[in-house]
Amino acid sequence: QQQVKQSPQSLIVQKGGISIINCAYENTAFDYFPWYQQFPGKGPALLIAIRPDVSEKKEGRFTISFNKSAKQFSLHIMDSQPGDSATYFCAARRNKLIFGAGTRLAVHP
Amino acid sequence: NAGVTQTPKFQVLKTGQSMTLQCAQDMNHEYMSWYRQDPGMGLRLIHYSVGAGITDQGEVPNGYNVSRSTTEDFPLRLLSAAPSQTSVYFCASSYSAGEKLFFGSGTQLSVL
Repeated sequence: QQQVKQSPQSLIVQKGGISIINCAYENTAFDYFPWYQQFPGKGPALLIAIRPDVSEKKEGRFTISFNKSAKQFSLHIMDSQPGDSATYFCAARRNKLIFGAGTRLAVHP
Repeated sequence: NAGVTQTPKFQVLKTGQSMTLQCAQDMNHEYMSWYRQDPGMGLRLIHYSVGAGITDQGEVPNGYNVSRSTTEDFPLRLLSAAPSQTSVYFCASSYSAGEKLFFGSGTQLSVL
């Protein structure tokens, strides 16, 4: 039983488009919600993170939207580029970090 | 500053063999953790530690042991390897529990 449910499993977007990845959680004790980016053959790296007292956080082309009442959060990648092609993981923390199943994003030129 | 160093990068074991995956960090991080990555399953937490001498179980701890005798090192032991333990293993560390994890480059383990 996965504590953090991520969708879609894979996503194809055209260059310049918007990529959207969604996550849902059940445990209201989670207090920190990061997104990680992983390129093939590499370990994941922190991309952007949000705390539950904020509804949105933006860093460059990457935005997290957080809906506390719905227990959902999402990653939006604006103006998607081929270099954004990677696997993206959402995660949630309560003393330890639990990850979603991942989304493989392919951005086509 | 090497960050998080994992060894070995690749390992093939026979069923029933034991081995230790090594993990070391030079950032003076208190929090260290081990994950396994399997297709379609994401990253699943095996064990974690919030400081030297303190360890706890994650989501999938069965078949694995850990210890934390120093701040720098957090080895993962496979007691009796099984084919179900074929996976890519990542060690990660951070200053505080779960915030900005720094990952190692991974160990690809095959159990035949």
